[in-house]
Amino acid sequence: RKEVEQDPGPFNVPEGATVAFNCTYSNSASQSFFWYRQDCRKEPKLLMSVYSSGNEDGRFTAQLNRASQYISLLIRDSKLSDSATYLCVVNKGTNTGNQFYFGTGTSLTVIP
Amino acid sequence: NAGVTQTPKFQVLKTGQSMTLQCAQDMNHEYMSWYRQDPGMGLRLIHYSVGAGITDQGEVPNGYNVSRSTTEDFPLRLLSAAPSQTSVYFCASSYSGYESYNEQFFGPGTRLTVL
Repeated sequence: RKEVEQDPGPFNVPEGATVAFNCTYSNSASQSFFWYRQDCRKEPKLLMSVYSSGNEDGRFTAQLNRASQYISLLIRDSKLSDSATYLCVVNKGTNTGNQFYFGTGTSLTVIP
Repeated sequence: NAGVTQTPKFQVLKTGQSMTLQCAQDMNHEYMSWYRQDPGMGLRLIHYSVGAGITDQGEVPNGYNVSRSTTEDFPLRLLSAAPSQTSVYFCASSYSGYESYNEQFFGPGTRLTVL
């Protein structure tokens, strides 16, 4: 079983729409959680960390459900510039340091 | 600050050749790591290091070696290239690997093709 699983999409939504992505992880001892954004043929960049209490950054809201082992990302009022692949990342952590596991990514295209 | 730099950007190898992918960071980060990204597989951790002189294996270490002689540099060596190693390779760094919510900064990637 993969450490992190995501729906690959693609999600094609009109401008202004609300879209939600989910991600599940297999290791209940995972320590920290993130959403990264990756544009075509570019490196991943941190979008936001995901905390147990949930957190919001402008149009983006992230939620963590430890009991069900899933993470979500909600994007409100989608912009054309939101078109990208969104990567769910989980840090399993070991006694020698962190180990980050990436989902395969969810592709989003925002249509004019 | 240049951030995380990787060289080369592109490389074509023949099966059996060896080469080293270079990675350097100027942010004084203790934690550095190498990933490969393949279609449908996401990024997979190859090797990582929590400081100079300390390295450990990730999820897919076979066929690769690393060393960390300085804080800044973390080269990845392909010992005998195979077509299965055709991929995009990303190097990343962050502050201490023991702080679980530190942001990872990625280099621009090396696109490797093995014929």
